[in-house]
Amino acid sequence: EAGVAQSPRYKIIEKRQSVAFWCNPISGHATLYWYQQILGQGPKLLIQFQNNGVVDDSQLPKDRFSAERLKGVDSTLKIQPAKLEDSAVYLCASSLVPGLAGQETQYFGPGTRLLVL
Amino acid sequence: KQEVTQIPAALSVPEGENLVLNCSFTDSAIYNLQWFRQDPGKGLTSLLLIQSSQREQTSGRLNASLDKSSGRSTLYIAASQPGDSATYLCAVVHINDYKLSFGAGTTVTVRA
Repeated sequence: EAGVAQSPRYKIIEKRQSVAFWCNPISGHATLYWYQQILGQGPKLLIQFQNNGVVDDSQLPKDRFSAERLKGVDSTLKIQPAKLEDSAVYLCASSLVPGLAGQETQYFGPGTRLLVL
Repeated sequence: KQEVTQIPAALSVPEGENLVLNCSFTDSAIYNLQWFRQDPGKGLTSLLLIQSSQREQTSGRLNASLDKSSGRSTLYIAASQPGDSATYLCAVVHINDYKLSFGAGTTVTVRA
């Protein structure tokens, strides 16, 4: 079974530039998550999709971050304009059904490492 | 707000020694607790998942215990190997919204 795919793996940009990350979840997984992991910290949830609808984006800095999952499959996370503090690893994860025993496990992609200079 | 703490932040042991990693959480209203492994430059790999009604889970050399009432979990890795060197993250799933709250992780180095 193919895992969660993410691209690019690394990105270096200057502050105030824009950047986009792409995620393709495991086939059949309705739920997709974007996390931000700052060096030395655990991942923090930015946004959760159920199919193509947003379930939770309470921790997404909406003045500069946006995300979409138009066809309920792959997703794009965008930052515009980027700040120095956005330097982090952006992880995408997918799962079947949150809260349903045996189907709630989240599978993580390799992440995109972003450095903002 | 759920707070998850992992102590120690880093650990270095000689090969063959048993590893004990600790995780504590402030809100005991959890659905489950999970332990993940993260290798440098890679994503997270789920190691063990303990449902709130369970006391422990085992997989090979790994054993995780859960004491929900005291807000603690411990991950034991028996007979450590250099390949066990990684960062281990603990995460709890809230019973209300099924969202993961992560600790900052314990970075383990096993010396050959």
